[in-house]
Amino acid sequence: NAGVMQNPRHLVRRRGQEARLRCSPMKGHSHVYWYRQLPEEGLKFMVYLQKENIIDESGMPKERFSAEFPKEGPSILRIQQVVRGDSAAYFCASSSSQGVGKVIQYFGAGTRLSVL
Amino acid sequence: DQQVKQNSPSLSVQEGRISILNCDYTNSMFDYFLWYKKYPAEGPTFLISISSIKDKNEDGRFTVFLNKSAKHLSLHIVPSQPGDSAVYFCAAKGGYGGSQGNLIFGKGTKLSVKP
Repeated sequence: NAGVMQNPRHLVRRRGQEARLRCSPMKGHSHVYWYRQLPEEGLKFMVYLQKENIIDESGMPKERFSAEFPKEGPSILRIQQVVRGDSAAYFCASSSSQGVGKVIQYFGAGTRLSVL
Repeated sequence: DQQVKQNSPSLSVQEGRISILNCDYTNSMFDYFLWYKKYPAEGPTFLISISSIKDKNEDGRFTVFLNKSAKHLSLHIVPSQPGDSAVYFCAAKGGYGGSQGNLIFGKGTKLSVKP
């Protein structure tokens, strides 16, 4: 399967714990994006990364949230000290780095985070 | 402040007829528009895109029309099939500060195609 892979699909955490969401981009893609979807809402941009660089984190909450895309391995979205309001579906997308391919983002199936 | 608006939360269409999904935007600097389809518990699936310099793009049963003066785009599905039943998201990209990498999504329109 050469698509965008996210894991886990479902994650349950208690308030105050840490959540780590992983994303492996589509083969050949070097741009990764993270989005969050609350119930009955559209997807909201969080962060845009390239290998070892954060390009745009304007949608990330200032505290408790961080993201990385290391040279080797998947991109990680990390949420520290989770609160109930963090419960949402988190989607990762990837795109090519060239031409029109850079415009189209391909999404993974998402991670559904539930905070108890 | 919503820059991309889908004002119809839902739409019901008979199989074989045309489905028209609408989207309005406020930022004239957007340079690309995309439509995604989403089934429950799955990620959005890319359907079709259009550059801001075009007014129409067609791919099989899907056609997107862009009216820049009205800041309006629409997705036409002809003929509609029951398998098209899903939530459709309109998204816009770029043309304003920052990295221009992220997409701005509308809230979606739930399409139901009845047999």
